Amino acid sequence: QLQLQESGPGLVKPSETLSLTCIVSGGSVRSNTNFWGWIRQAPGKGLEWIGSIFSSGNTYYNPSLKSRITLSVDTSKNQFSLKLSSGTAADTAVYYCARHGPVGTLLINWFDSWGQGTLVTVSS
Amino acid sequence: EIVLTQSPGTLSLSPGERATLSCRASQSVTSSQLAWYQQKPGQAPRLLIYGASSRATGVPDRFSGSGSGTDFTLTISRLEAEDFAVYYCQQYGRSPPLTFGGGTKVEIK
Repeated sequence: QLQLQESGPGLVKPSETLSLTCIVSGGSVRSNTNFWGWIRQAPGKGLEWIGSIFSSGNTYYNPSLKSRITLSVDTSKNQFSLKLSSGTAADTAVYYCARHGPVGTLLINWFDSWGQGTLVTVSS
Repeated sequence: EIVLTQSPGTLSLSPGERATLSCRASQSVTSSQLAWYQQKPGQAPRLLIYGASSRATGVPDRFSGSGSGTDFTLTISRLEAEDFAVYYCQQYGRSPPLTFGGGTKVEIK
């Protein structure tokens, strides 16, 4: 059974870079049928897509965050990562990693498996 | 960017009743490429519906999705205790960006 687990610091200082890793088990990021994505949810708010990556390194980013995002994938460790630079209080949120449904007409689509999420607070 | 507006914001119903949740898009969603998720407090979202009407694996058949173009509906035929949660729609037809609606909370009346 596929499992995703986010890991990284729970506290980041303003202007610093938020770095998270998603460790995948029960499946492979090397899969040629699925993209892998990041979504966040500010406290008491809705869901916001951050970006998605394929095993080849092909990426899609949310234009509103694109200038600050770097996604990467490490197939040898079966994990993928998010870096969000120049953190502000507005980046305080629960961050989820997730797997997209199988690629078809569209490369990025729905999210069929999610990690439990990790709260990241941006504060001095 | 497609903006998704969900209504109502909160739906107060009793177990056994029918729930009808709406998701309206600011532009037509290509080929009904819309999904629905359920989220309970402290948990990650769970995929219910994709392709506007296809149930995800393991989702009970009391959940159904319908709609096309700009208007989509999630229906829960008979609410059970575990169905009280927040529901989100998400479009993936015109992306990036993928966008989510603001959510509808289904609460016990």
